[in-house]
Formats: sequence, structure tokens, C-alpha cells
Amino acid sequence: TQLLEQSPQFLSIQEGENLTVYCNSSSVFSSLQWYRQEPGEGPVLLVTVVTGGEVKKLKRLTFQFGDARKDSSLHITAAQTGDTGLYLCAGFTGTASKLTFGTGTRLQVTL
Amino acid sequence: GAGVSQSPRYKVAKRGQDVALRCDPISGHVSLFWYQQALGQGPEFLTYFQNEAQLDKSGLPSDRFFAERPEGSVSTLKIQRTQQEDSAVYLCASSLGQVYQPQHFGDGTRLSIL
Repeated sequence: TQLLEQSPQFLSIQEGENLTVYCNSSSVFSSLQWYRQEPGEGPVLLVTVVTGGEVKKLKRLTFQFGDARKDSSLHITAAQTGDTGLYLCAGFTGTASKLTFGTGTRLQVTL
Repeated sequence: GAGVSQSPRYKVAKRGQDVALRCDPISGHVSLFWYQQALGQGPEFLTYFQNEAQLDKSGLPSDRFFAERPEGSVSTLKIQRTQQEDSAVYLCASSLGQVYQPQHFGDGTRLSIL
């Protein structure tokens, strides 16, 4: 059972468009991470957010952690074909070391 | 290499056979995790080691699944009497062990049960 629901499940857009991916839960997470995974490879960490309300920017990617630490969003500005992949949010609960992953959002960016 | 290494990359087995999947973590990483990922889904936690101690095995789906890390480095995930629903990608990750440390993932073993 996955506690983190992501939306949309699939997203196909053209290069240059903006998009937002949402990650929602009824549980509180002490920290939340976003990963990107390409076919045949393991997930690669993009960012970790710890504080409720925190916003982090990495070039064209903006990550936000909800005030109540139950939700997060990833916004990509001017998408590029290289952004194509499976985007996963994942959270730590309490002091547990294990990650609970979201259901995933598959993004395809075309020319 | 410097990353997490998993072998084999692909494994095909007949239903009822036993399989063993290997994970070589990054040198010096204290924590090691196993995840199961179904096609198009996010990974699901199986088990976690800190050094050689298995601290959490709450995600193992049945007693057919067994993991070990006898010397606190290499880990093996064993599945006995495989069934078709065991078909998935099995991912291994390692980290330094402190709270919220990034987990570094291997490229996984794709297991197909016929």
C-alpha cells in the first residue's frame, strides 16, 4: 500500500511548456524527496525538502513542501526532451530510515 | 565503479525455482535497502540493514523472501519457490546511515518468472 498519491499519472507535453506534478498524502512526513528514474536505471535523487512551506529551486525545477508536510509539488518551467522520465516523490516518516515512494508520474516531452 | 552494483541485471526463472539477487553497496555506506518495483509503479520497501543487522523487514511479502548482509557489505535477496507475482524489478540502495541521507540506487535486477 502506497501512502503517497501522485497526479497526474501520465503527462505528455511539447518542449517549452510548463508543468506541475503533485504528491499528496493523508500522513505527515518528516522529510520528502523527489527522484527521477529513466528506463533500465535506478531512481536518482533530485532534491530533499525538510521544512513545511519550504521552496527549493534547481535551475528550471521548483519544489515545494506543503505547510502541513503532507503534500509536495514539482514545477518544471520550459520543459526539455531531457526531462522525460518517471518522477517519484518519496517520504520519510518519523525517524524511520525507510522511504515510502509515491505512485509515480511518467512525463514525456516531445519536440 | 563508485556506484551501487546489482547482479544479475536480468533473471528469468521457472515458477517454483529459487533465485538469489546480489547487491554491492557503495563502499563505506552503513545502510542498505531493498525495494520491489512493479512496472510503471513506484518502488515499495522490502527490508533495511544497518551494517549486518536487519532492522526492518516489514515489507517482505511472504516468508519465501529472505535477505542477508552477513559482513555488513554485500547483501543477497533470496526468493524461494518463486511465483509469477514475484516478477518485478528489485532495486537495492545504500546510504551513509544518518537521518534523511540520500539513498543511492543501483540499476536493479529485472526478475521474470515464467
